[in-house]
Amino acid sequence: EAGVTQFPSHSVIEKGQTVTLRCDPISGHDNLYWYRRVMGKEIKFLLHFVKESKQDESGMPNNRFLAERTGGTYSTLKVQPAELEDSGVYFCASSQELLNTEAFFGQGTRLTVV
Amino acid sequence: AQSVTQPDIHITVSEGASLELRCNYSYGATPYLFWYVQSPGQGLQLLLKYFSGDTLVQGIKGFEAEFKRSQSSFNLRKPSVHWSDAAEYFCAVRPHNNNDMRFGAGTRLTVKP
Repeated sequence: EAGVTQFPSHSVIEKGQTVTLRCDPISGHDNLYWYRRVMGKEIKFLLHFVKESKQDESGMPNNRFLAERTGGTYSTLKVQPAELEDSGVYFCASSQELLNTEAFFGQGTRLTVV
Repeated sequence: AQSVTQPDIHITVSEGASLELRCNYSYGATPYLFWYVQSPGQGLQLLLKYFSGDTLVQGIKGFEAEFKRSQSSFNLRKPSVHWSDAAEYFCAVRPHNNNDMRFGAGTRLTVKP
């Protein structure tokens, strides 16, 4: 069974450009999470989907970030326009049920804004 | 405020030596506790978790962790480190009633030959 997959693995863009990150969760997992790790800092929660609905987006930094989950399957995270401080590693995770289970993580997308 | 602390940013041990990575948390009630590992080019892999019951938890790759309520700690241990254990290790906690998982800043482990 495939794990959580993220595309691309690396992205280098210029300040002001747009980037879209994609996450394919494990099949059947209703819960999908996005996290971000800025260089040297802790991994921080961005948002949580249950199926196609945003359950919690309290961690989204600002309105330049837009997350979607079409049909409750894969999810995209768009940054528009990108700023230098958006650089970091973006992790996606999925889980079957909210309580009493762990989340499975993808390998992350390393975003560099120059 | 809720927080997770990994006091050691970087640890170096010799291959075959024992290892202990520290994790302390500050939460209103005992949360779920996790240790994840990230090897170069890989995603976060779950090593072990504590939900309830026995406070000594066994994980994959020969790792174990002990939950100590009195110290609000969940330290990760391994009796004999292998070169392949070189990676970054993250402690994480999550309340029982929501998805707010919080991570420590990570501890990078270097293994000397």
